[in-house]
Amino acid sequence: ETGVTQSPTHLIKTRGQQVTLRCSSQSGHNTVSWYQQALGQGPQFIFQYYREEENGRGNFPPRFSGLQFPNYSSELNVNALELDDSALYLCASSFTGSGEKLFFGSGTQLSVL
Amino acid sequence: GESVGLHLPTLSVQEGDNSIINCAYSNSASDYFIWYKQESGKGPQFIIDIRSNMDKRQGQRVTVLLNKTVKHLSLQIAATQPGDSAVYFCAEKNGGGADGLTFGKGTHLIIQP
Repeated sequence: ETGVTQSPTHLIKTRGQQVTLRCSSQSGHNTVSWYQQALGQGPQFIFQYYREEENGRGNFPPRFSGLQFPNYSSELNVNALELDDSALYLCASSFTGSGEKLFFGSGTQLSVL
Repeated sequence: GESVGLHLPTLSVQEGDNSIINCAYSNSASDYFIWYKQESGKGPQFIIDIRSNMDKRQGQRVTVLLNKTVKHLSLQIAATQPGDSAVYFCAEKNGGGADGLTFGKGTHLIIQP
């Protein structure tokens, strides 16, 4: 176990709705990253937070946003859900700001109907 | 297209044999590489990492080899066990910034009894 916990484990939403996913980082880790993993694919980088600020972002639209809190926990928010947003959303933490050697949680499986 | 990929989607090996999982990358600026193991229903689990100033790194029962000339990365697993059955991903990163890891599609390792 990595010590990174995510909630909820599964979620079903309808197109157009908004969703918030939550993550608690491993103790001592100050950096959190979010990844999207479609079925049968490798994870894709959404963004990274370090010291409560976004310091890196992948090729995802602005309707994907996030927060990092002083205790290093984090949220991923997705607005105006689309069918293609159905995926496993993974949170990962590390103790450097570089986003290397990430430790992943088990993910939240989001289904958009 | 993806900058990191794997040569085979599925690899079947006999229990006790050594496994070799290959990965090709296209971004010559990448200087950090990492292997993850992902079991069904779980997030990726860190196996081993290597920086571009090294050619080889060993862990417990695992070895990562990096050939920068041909942009090739491999993961060797010694004495493969049933618990090694999983999907294995290689990932790369460019520089010390917050660009995130770029993952390949994964190789499914199947252990035959």
